[in-house]
Amino acid sequence: EIVLTQSPGTLSLSPGERATLSCRASQSVSSSSFAWYQQKPGQAPRLLVYGASSRATDTPDRFSGGGSGTDFTLTISRLEPEDFAVYYCQQYGTSPWTFGQGTRVEIK
Amino acid sequence: QVQLVESGGGVVQPGRSLRLSCAASGFTFGMHWVRQAPGKGLEWVAVIWNEGRNILYADSVKGRFTISRDNSKNTVYLQMNSLRVEDTAVYFCARDQGAAPFDIWGQGTMVIVSS
Repeated sequence: EIVLTQSPGTLSLSPGERATLSCRASQSVSSSSFAWYQQKPGQAPRLLVYGASSRATDTPDRFSGGGSGTDFTLTISRLEPEDFAVYYCQQYGTSPWTFGQGTRVEIK
Repeated sequence: QVQLVESGGGVVQPGRSLRLSCAASGFTFGMHWVRQAPGKGLEWVAVIWNEGRNILYADSVKGRFTISRDNSKNTVYLQMNSLRVEDTAVYFCARDQGAAPFDIWGQGTMVIVSS
């Protein structure tokens, strides 16, 4: 099983600041099989980025994904009020599909 | 845009069974169940593709849960037997169009296993 470890656990930032979220895999993951999701309280997760760096439909361009192999990042260039949420990374190339434990982005 | 609606959640005693449904407004190639325990992260549970010839389970539910689909109703089911307290979670269904991310999710249905 591919274990995904996200850091930091919580990111405390102000609106307008830049957020950088990390996800490290226990073994190499194909970039074409790596995604990021956003989840707000009481809601289902929403796909943000797939293929490591491709934005999903309706994902604002302030979100950008990158990385390869075992290290991936999600960057939010300037935080908007609606971006404060929990973010999960996921690999979907190998069964079992696995998620990171999540990074909470909270208002400082 | 395909929409997914889960149903069937509730409160059940340990050892009992429950069947969840996920109704899709259109055809879906593959469907996953993903669960989230209260205050915790996401855990993949099971997947079914195509006509149901391809099915996979997480080790934590293998032998207890069964995923199936009725294409005539565009509905996927999760039969959960021998439920345990640790199965308590919100259960989401999510679409997979084949070696793809989970691009569409249902709103989730809550399952509480408690005596």
